[in-house]
Amino acid sequence: EAGVTQFPSHSVIEKGQTVTLRCDPISGHDNLYWYRRVMGKEIKFLLHFVKESKQDESGMPNNRFLAERTGGTYSTLKVQPAELEDSGVYFCASSPGQTPNEKLFFGSGTQLSVL
Amino acid sequence: AQSVSQHNHHVILSEAASLELGCNYSYGGTVNLFWYVQYPGQHLQLLLKYFSGDPLVKGIKGFEAEFIKSKFSFNLRKPSVQWSDTAEYFCAVTTTGGFKTIFGAGTRLFVKA
Repeated sequence: EAGVTQFPSHSVIEKGQTVTLRCDPISGHDNLYWYRRVMGKEIKFLLHFVKESKQDESGMPNNRFLAERTGGTYSTLKVQPAELEDSGVYFCASSPGQTPNEKLFFGSGTQLSVL
Repeated sequence: AQSVSQHNHHVILSEAASLELGCNYSYGGTVNLFWYVQYPGQHLQLLLKYFSGDPLVKGIKGFEAEFIKSKFSFNLRKPSVQWSDTAEYFCAVTTTGGFKTIFGAGTRLFVKA
């Protein structure tokens, strides 16, 4: 069974540019989550999709961040325009169904560096 | 707001030493607790979880954790660590019925061979 995959694994961009991160969850997983970890700090929740619907986007930092999950399959997280403080590792995770508190299956993350 | 505090950011041990990583959470209601681990070059994966019942839970690779409700704690333990336990360990919590998982800042464990 394929795991959660994220693209790219690394991205280096300049301040003001746009970056789009992609996450492919495990097939059949309705729940998809985005998390971010700034160096050395906690892994912070950004948002939660159930299928194609945003269930909770309380962790999105500001309107420079836009997440989509068209068709309820893969998801993209766009940062436009990127700022220095957006640097960090962006993790995607998925879980199967409607039961809360399930364990999360994580991707390997995208390391974003904004210069 | 809920939060998770991990007491040690870095821990260095020799093989065969005992391990205890501290974790405290702040939330007054019923919680579900997790420890995740990230081995070098790998993705985060679940080590163990507590939902209800016996507060002493056992996970993979000989790890265990004890939920002490009165102390809001969920410390991770292993009697004898191995070099292969070198990794970063994250404590996490969800509230009952909730989908949002709150993570701590992680503890980097380095085990000397």
